[in-house]
Amino acid sequence: EPEVTQTPSHQVTQMGQEVILRCVPISNHLYFYWYRQILGQKVEFLVSFYNNEISEKSEIFDDQFSVERPDGSNFTLKIRSTKLEDSAMYFCASSVGSGTEAFFGQGTRLTVV
Amino acid sequence: AQSVTQLDSQVPVFEEAPVELRCNYSSSVSVYLFWYVQYPNQGLQLLLKYLSGSTLVESINGFEAEFNKSQTSFHLRKPSVHISDTAEYFCAVSNGGATNKLIFGTGTLLAVQP
Repeated sequence: EPEVTQTPSHQVTQMGQEVILRCVPISNHLYFYWYRQILGQKVEFLVSFYNNEISEKSEIFDDQFSVERPDGSNFTLKIRSTKLEDSAMYFCASSVGSGTEAFFGQGTRLTVV
Repeated sequence: AQSVTQLDSQVPVFEEAPVELRCNYSSSVSVYLFWYVQYPNQGLQLLLKYLSGSTLVESINGFEAEFNKSQTSFHLRKPSVHISDTAEYFCAVSNGGATNKLIFGTGTLLAVQP
């Protein structure tokens, strides 16, 4: 069964460092997303990506964040200068189209120290 | 703006008892509704969805949910729970559109006790 894969599963980084979280969405999907879940809190939307551009971003997704689809399979989230409050589980998701369900990866747990 | 309310942060229940996890949403446009389950230290798995058609939807492991437009609800039910159903359950809403983003509720921890 096709699935969304994310790497790494865990990442520890120093405050101020850049991190790149990687995702391989399901191959025939056209919509890609990043969500985050701070420990014990709800899942929050960060950004959606369609047709090679950002279609919507939340207030959380400030200038420190960027997304890229560098080739036909990968979808990355970059945090340029990490802050302690960026510590969270980051989920990548994809869906085949609008009005369809999103499939989530297993997440990357980011810890900023 | 859309929002989802899950009033119960935790629902303790004994094994083989019935359970209902409540979800209410607000939206000014047509919605698509979902329940996702998160087992400890794992990702989000789609449990069931309402996109269109029958308002009663079912999962393969015995859960069901009913879309009630007049009450703006999408409550999740199971007639008899198992220990293995212990997990966090998230209700989510989307209006499709150009972004198809999901808005999640705060989650309900279903704690099944023997």
